[in-house]
Parts: sequence; C-alpha cells; structure tokens
Amino acid sequence: GAVVSQHPSRVICKSGTSVKIECRSLDFQATTMFWYRQFPKQSLMLMATSNEGSKATYEQGVEKDKFLINHASLTLSTLTVTSAHPEDSSFYICSARRRGENTEAFFGQGTRLTVV
Amino acid sequence: LAKTTQPISMDSYEGQEVNITCSHNNIATNDYITWYQQFPSQGPRFIIQGYKTKVTNEVASLFIPADRKSSTLSLPRVSLSDTAVYYCLGGSEGNFNKFYFGSGTKLNVKP
Repeated sequence: GAVVSQHPSRVICKSGTSVKIECRSLDFQATTMFWYRQFPKQSLMLMATSNEGSKATYEQGVEKDKFLINHASLTLSTLTVTSAHPEDSSFYICSARRRGENTEAFFGQGTRLTVV
Repeated sequence: LAKTTQPISMDSYEGQEVNITCSHNNIATNDYITWYQQFPSQGPRFIIQGYKTKVTNEVASLFIPADRKSSTLSLPRVSLSDTAVYYCLGGSEGNFNKFYFGSGTKLNVKP
C-alpha cells in the first residue's frame, strides 16, 4: 500500500509556543490530505481538509487561526498548532488519498503532542 | 454524511472467526464501505473496502447485503495480535471524499 509519513512522531513543547507537524505522501500524489485529532480512548475527529494550492477547509468548531494548515505541494501538508496549551495535547493523525474517487485513505503513524 | 453504528466492544478467543457488523442506514449511492484497524498510538491501517456483495483479501472478508444498509467484517482465525479497534466508514463528502470515524469496535482476543 501507499505510504504516508508524519514527522515528528512525538513532541513535547512549552505552553504558548507553536509546533509544526509534517505529513508526506511518499509514493503518490495527494491533492487532498486530512488532519485528525484523537484523545485517549476516543475515536478520530476530523479537524480539517487540506487542499493543495488553496485554503484548508475546517470542520465546525475547529479554530482555523489556532490550527494552521499549509498544503504547499502534492506530497506535503503541514499542521501548525499555534500558542499551544495543555488542552491541545493529543494524538494528531494525517491521511491522504490518491487522486480519484472512492480510493482508500492512507494514514500516517500519528504525532503525539504533549504541551507542558 | 453516512453515520455508522458498531458495537463498542467484542471478545473472542484465539483461532475463532470474528464477525463485526456495522450499520450505515443512510449510506449514499456512490459511497464505498471501508474498514480500518487501529492499534494504540498508531494511525489506522486499511483492511478492506467494498461496495456490495462480498469482497475478500488476504486478511479479511467483507459482506455487504443488497440494501447496503449494513456490512460485516469477517476476520478468520484471529490471534492475540488482532486485538485492536476496528472502524467502519461509509463516507464521502462532495468532491473531497472525507472520512468521518464512528466509535469503532474494540476487539479483545483472549488466549
């Protein structure tokens, strides 16, 4: 299957700082990538859809100014958590789909963010 | 938006066949049904996808009745390493084909 890579796999940052998470599709082009957040013992919650060359679309209740998304190329999307607070501590996961409808989504390994 | 409903948890023993059923009553005509497996602190891993009838691959089978309002993931002869959360997704949203996750089913395989 296709490979989606996230970096870093885990990060600890101080409250008030910003953290950038990268998501790369290694062997295919992804015009659309998705960002999820998962709290312990809960399901994945879709945060936003990242579109190459245009603005991301955010799900209801997700602050676009806090979670900055950039999709600069067909293989890279970044999520920046700005002015992080302890409540932003979570597991962040990206996914990407090949061009075309109804193909399966490939997920990165996730990034564990801890804000202290 | 296809909302899915699955049992919260299931128990099984090694070597047994496990069937996890998911209901998706309002699935759209052009939606596929996709199942993922997730281990703790890892991203979901694709298991199988289908539209209707039966699909089989090297790890699982997927049964979808004609009305497509439900689907059943079948895992043959499970092992301890199959203990995980299994998600059923029946989603597409406009041109972006978003995936919204339901609660998933926590499968506990016992020795």
